[in-house]
Order: sequence, then structure tokens, then C-alpha cells
Amino acid sequence: QQQVKQSPQSLIVQKGGIPIINCAYENTAFDYFPWYQQFPGKGPALLIAIRPDVSEKKEGRFTISFNKSAKQFSLHIMDSQPGDSATYFCAASEGSNYKLTFGKGTLLTVNP
Amino acid sequence: KAGVTQTPRYLIKTRGQQVTLSCSPISGHRSVSWYQQTPGQGLQFLFEYFSETQRNKGNFPGRFSGRQFSNSRSEMNVSTLELGDSALYLCASSRGPGRAEAFFGQGTRLTVV
Repeated sequence: QQQVKQSPQSLIVQKGGIPIINCAYENTAFDYFPWYQQFPGKGPALLIAIRPDVSEKKEGRFTISFNKSAKQFSLHIMDSQPGDSATYFCAASEGSNYKLTFGKGTLLTVNP
Repeated sequence: KAGVTQTPRYLIKTRGQQVTLSCSPISGHRSVSWYQQTPGQGLQFLFEYFSETQRNKGNFPGRFSGRQFSNSRSEMNVSTLELGDSALYLCASSRGPGRAEAFFGQGTRLTVV
């Protein structure tokens, strides 16, 4: 059972574009939703995270939008750059449980 | 501040052998989690340790085991290796209760031949 569904699988945008990656979850007990960025040969790096008590969070060019009623959240990357080309993973966990349930990942390519 | 350190970075083992991977968490972090990453299954949770106790375990066979030491360093062991165990094994550390942020190491790339 895939508890966190991520789309699209891959995404190509031009430099300056705003790629949007979406995730949907099933477990209503999830209360922590991080996004990770992974470059080839590296481990995932924590980008930004949100809890259900807010609908939006911004950190630099990265924004998470959260819709609790729809059980969906998304990552927006403003003014995307070729250096943003990487695989992005959404994840979720509940309470003091540090087990992260990951989406399948989105391979983002930002063309110059 | 040093990040999460995993050793070794690369391993090649033969089917039937066993392997031990090591993880040193960020200084001050007391929780260590392990994940398996493969192209087909993505990132899957193996287990999590806090204060030397296993708190959570994922859906993996008993051949996968782990432990945590008093200095928070952790090891995971895979016995009787199978070809399907070839993967990137990632360790993540978290500070502890109430602090959910998890920081990953670069992983150990295990190849079983």
C-alpha cells in the first residue's frame, strides 16, 4: 500500500519556470511533511518541511502548499535554475515516530 | 558541525555473505534511522533506534538487523545476502523527541554479485 503518492514522475522546465510537484497521502495521522532533494551519488538533503497547522511555508525559492482537507501538499520552486535539476521526494511521518514514508520521487530537469 | 557519516561508501559482496554497515549521526542527535533505496521500490524504511532501543521496524525480513551504541553510532547487518539486496543504504539522524527533522548521510552502495 503506497501511503504517499507523488506526481509527476519526471518534469522538464525552462530556466526561470516554476515546477510544481504534488503529493497526496492517506494516513490522517501524518503530521509532518518534509521535502528532500537528492543529487546523483548523494544522500537526500532536507529542503523544507511543513506541519498541518499552516497552509503555506516559504524558504527562499521553495514553497510548500498544504491542503489538509484534500490530504495533499505540493512543492513549488520559484525562478528555477539548472542547478535545481535533481530528484525531489516528498515524505510524511506521524507524531514522535521518526519513520518517514516517502513518495516515489520526481526527476526535475531545468534546461538553461 | 559534521554531518552524518556512513562507512564504507561502496561494498561488493557475494551472495550468501553477510555485511555490516556503519553510521555516525550528527553530534547531539540520538535517533538513527536506516533506509533502503532502489530504483524500483524507492526509499523504504528499515528500522529506527533511539537511545540504543529499536523503536520502529519496517517490512523487511529478519536477515536485516541493526543496533545502536551508547554514543548513538549505529550499525546495520544483512545476513545471507541476496542479489535483490543490492541497493543504496541510507542512514538518517534526528535530534530526538519533538524534533522530527531527519538528516541523511551519503549512503553505502552495496552490490551483491
